[in-house]
Amino acid sequence: DSGVTQTPKHLITATGQRVTLRCSPRSGDLSVYWYQQSLDQGLQFLIHYYNGEERAKGNILERFSAQQFPDLHSELNLSSLELGDSALYFCASSFSDEKLFFGSGTQLSVL
Amino acid sequence: LAKTTQPISMDSYEGQEVNITCSHNNIATNDYITWYQQFPSQGPRFIIQGYKTKVTNEVASLFIPADRKSSTLSLPRVSLSDTAVYYCLVDDDMDSNYQLIWGAGTKLIIKP
Repeated sequence: DSGVTQTPKHLITATGQRVTLRCSPRSGDLSVYWYQQSLDQGLQFLIHYYNGEERAKGNILERFSAQQFPDLHSELNLSSLELGDSALYFCASSFSDEKLFFGSGTQLSVL
Repeated sequence: LAKTTQPISMDSYEGQEVNITCSHNNIATNDYITWYQQFPSQGPRFIIQGYKTKVTNEVASLFIPADRKSSTLSLPRVSLSDTAVYYCLVDDDMDSNYQLIWGAGTKLIIKP
């Protein structure tokens, strides 16, 4: 158990819909990262928050947004969903940026 | 941006030592090299991290030559449960847009 909690584990929705993925980091970790992993692909970095502030953006679509709240949990919002958004979405947290602890992911299926 | 290059896949047999090499030609002076392991439908798991020379822990060793342009993850006496994808990661902060750069990963298959 990494100590990072992601909910829900599975999400099935339709095209055009909006969903919210939630991540609770390990106790004491200030950084939260979001990654997308499509089938048999590597991890695509989406966004990084540190203590409530956006620190870095990767390949995140304009339809996607995220935030980190004062209690350090984070949410990734995906809107106007398309079939191609179906993927595993991972959250990771860290105290130092060199070592990440990943959650078990949210499997999103857009039908 | 510091990029990494790894073999796409490797095969080995139970009980063998496996070495996976990662190239990172543009690594910066202060960058660390980190390796993660990922099983299907699970989040990656930290294996080992190093800056130079050699680092060893209970599961692996990491060898980094003096020029730091590459690194080698060594898994001693592998078992079937070591079948996974292994990622080489370099800490990149060369731009203000700080982010971690992931390689494509090496799919390691261990055979009986």
